[in-house]
Amino acid sequence: DIQMTQSPSSLSASIGDRVTITCRASQGIRNDLGWYQQKPGKAPKRLIYTASTLQSGVPSRFSGGGSGTEFTLTISSLQPEDFATYYCLQHNSYPRTFGQGTKVDIK
Amino acid sequence: QVQLQESGPGLVKPSETLALTCTVSGVSVNNGNYHWSWIRQPPGKGLEYIAYIYYSGTTNYNPSLKSRVTISLDMSKNQFSLKLSSVTAADTAMYYCARDPHDLWSGDGMGFDYWGQGTLVTVSS
Repeated sequence: DIQMTQSPSSLSASIGDRVTITCRASQGIRNDLGWYQQKPGKAPKRLIYTASTLQSGVPSRFSGGGSGTEFTLTISSLQPEDFATYYCLQHNSYPRTFGQGTKVDIK
Repeated sequence: QVQLQESGPGLVKPSETLALTCTVSGVSVNNGNYHWSWIRQPPGKGLEYIAYIYYSGTTNYNPSLKSRVTISLDMSKNQFSLKLSSVTAADTAMYYCARDPHDLWSGDGMGFDYWGQGTLVTVSS
């Protein structure tokens, strides 16, 4: 299985801050990486796939980058609705595997 | 509009079999562009892929659960189902069904795009 390691596991930030979350794969996965946002009691929502393709309807303050084994999710200017937990997912091979999550809360 | 909806018992006794169904609307489960998947999330924890099924009947199971999992498809009802046998408290989780698209030519996946709202299954006597 491909192991996905996310960092940090949590972070505190203020409205307007630039936030970056990192995901590392245990082996190369080309650009087969997605990012998801999950709010309490809700299903995950896809933000980005193939490392940098923004899901339709997702605000442009979200961006993704990277390839191979190292990937980033950046929120350029944190908004109140962005406080949530974020997960990466490798969609290169099965079993699909997720990072352990990054909880973003208010400083 | 694509929608997925999980259904099934919210409480299962230890050693019994958990059985859930996902009803799909807005797209046919017979569509070769998608794998139909189950994912779970224990309370307060992360996400775990369980299995997928393809319209052809091809299946894939997470090796960690493979000996206990069966996934099936009912095209007449546009549904797919999950069975997990010999459950323990460790199987208590929110269970999600999801659509996993892939490029028909390259086979490249694109990750889960549509998810059900989830159904909480508690394993307890």
